[in-house]
Amino acid sequence: RKEVEQDPGPFNVPEGATVAFNCTYSNSASQSFFWYRQDCRKEPKLLMSVYSSGNEDGRFTAQLNRASQYISLLIRDSKLSDSATYLCVVNMRNAGNMLTFGGGTRLMVKP
Amino acid sequence: DVKVTQSSRYLVKRTGEKVFLECVQDMDHENMFWYRQDPGLGLRLIYFSYDVKMKEKGDIPEGYSVSREKKERFSLILESASTNQTSMYLCASSQILAGLYEQYFGPGTRLTVT
Repeated sequence: RKEVEQDPGPFNVPEGATVAFNCTYSNSASQSFFWYRQDCRKEPKLLMSVYSSGNEDGRFTAQLNRASQYISLLIRDSKLSDSATYLCVVNMRNAGNMLTFGGGTRLMVKP
Repeated sequence: DVKVTQSSRYLVKRTGEKVFLECVQDMDHENMFWYRQDPGLGLRLIYFSYDVKMKEKGDIPEGYSVSREKKERFSLILESASTNQTSMYLCASSQILAGLYEQYFGPGTRLTVT
C-alpha cells in the first residue's frame, strides 16, 4: 500500500465548476500536510499547507481529517489556469524535512 | 526568490556510462534532495543531505550515489547507467526551520539511457 494515495484522474471540469480532490495517508504519525501544484513539464511548487482546523486561500480550501487519515483540496470557480497536477504531500513525525509525495491528481479545466 | 538550478534539462546516455547530475541552490539552504519522477509512481526520494559531506539514503538509493562538498551544490551520480534509470530527476532544497517544510525544486533533468 502506498503511503500517500491519490486518484490520478484526470478530472475534466468546465470553467467555473467546483472540484474536490481527496488524498489518504497510511501513517498515523504524519504531522504536517501540504498540497503542491505541478504544471505540465514543470517542477512542483507549494500551493498551500493544510492545517488541522482547515484553511482557505482565495478559491482554494484545504481540509484535514486526522481520524480518517485523509486530506482534501477544494477549488471553487475553476479557471483554465488551474489545469495542473495536484500533489498531496505529507511529513512524517521524526522525518525531519523529508516529505512523502502522492502520485498526483490531474485536473483539466475546459472552456 | 529561491533558485535551484540543474545542469541539464535533457540528457541522453548509453548503458554503462557514468552520469553526473548537478544541482545548485542560491539560498544557503541546509537540506538538499534528489528525487526521480515516473508516471504512476510519483516522486520518489533517492538521497538527501542535511549538511556538507552528510548524506542519507532515501527510498530508492540502489544504483545511485551522491556528493555534497559545498553547501550550495548536491550531485547525483549514476555509476553505471541502466535503462531502468531513464526518468525525470528533480533536485530540491529546503531550510531547517521549525514547521517550515517547503521544498524548492529545480526544473528537472530528463535522462534517457539507451
